[in-house]
Amino acid sequence: GAGVSQSPRYKVTKRGQDVTLRCDPISSHATLYWYQQALGQGPEFLTYFNYEAQPDKSGLPSDRFSAERPEGSISTLTIQRTEQRDSAMYRCASSRDSNTEAFFGQGTRLTVV
Amino acid sequence: DQQVKQNSPSLSVQEGRISILNCDYTNSMFDYFLWYKKYPAEGPTFLISISSIKDKNEDGRFTVFLNKSAKHLSLHIVPSQPGDSAVYFCAARRMDSSYKLIFGSGTRLLVRP
Repeated sequence: GAGVSQSPRYKVTKRGQDVTLRCDPISSHATLYWYQQALGQGPEFLTYFNYEAQPDKSGLPSDRFSAERPEGSISTLTIQRTEQRDSAMYRCASSRDSNTEAFFGQGTRLTVV
Repeated sequence: DQQVKQNSPSLSVQEGRISILNCDYTNSMFDYFLWYKKYPAEGPTFLISISSIKDKNEDGRFTVFLNKSAKHLSLHIVPSQPGDSAVYFCAARRMDSSYKLIFGSGTRLLVRP
């Protein structure tokens, strides 16, 4: 696609529910990243993929967070048993490879009530 | 602990004047630095970068300066234009984990007409 696309743009969920966020990267890009951005802060690294491989998931805050990229293109980020502290902007980015410029999507604003 | 710090949350500059945005870092393993610009409701977009082997990189109205001994970098915008009004994020990456960007908290620049 022309740019990185994320859906939904906004998600409000009740505490304890599971949510899944979707990222559709730029089609030629091998590397895909997930970041979490709290209000008034910069994005914080969660995890990344090279094609379908996930070499580093050290930034995931807990085992309630997981990400997949099964076919090396679209990726999902799932948060199980959501908590209020999970409320944040979740940003996906992609790049040609892990050494080149990353292009960010518009993000998904998650609110846990 | 914040490895990349932007100590000025906001900056206001008159159109035509110079804007100087500052960024400090603590990790001597960082070897590449980037500035991202973010408009409301959009994802961050790459603006300019600099490798640690350089002390200056220029691209049109934008110049980034790196002072490694002081662990400090700055972004200069000359002349500033109202369209430059945005949030600017400083980011850094380590040579051994080039896929991971460490972001500062951002500086909101307002260029007054």
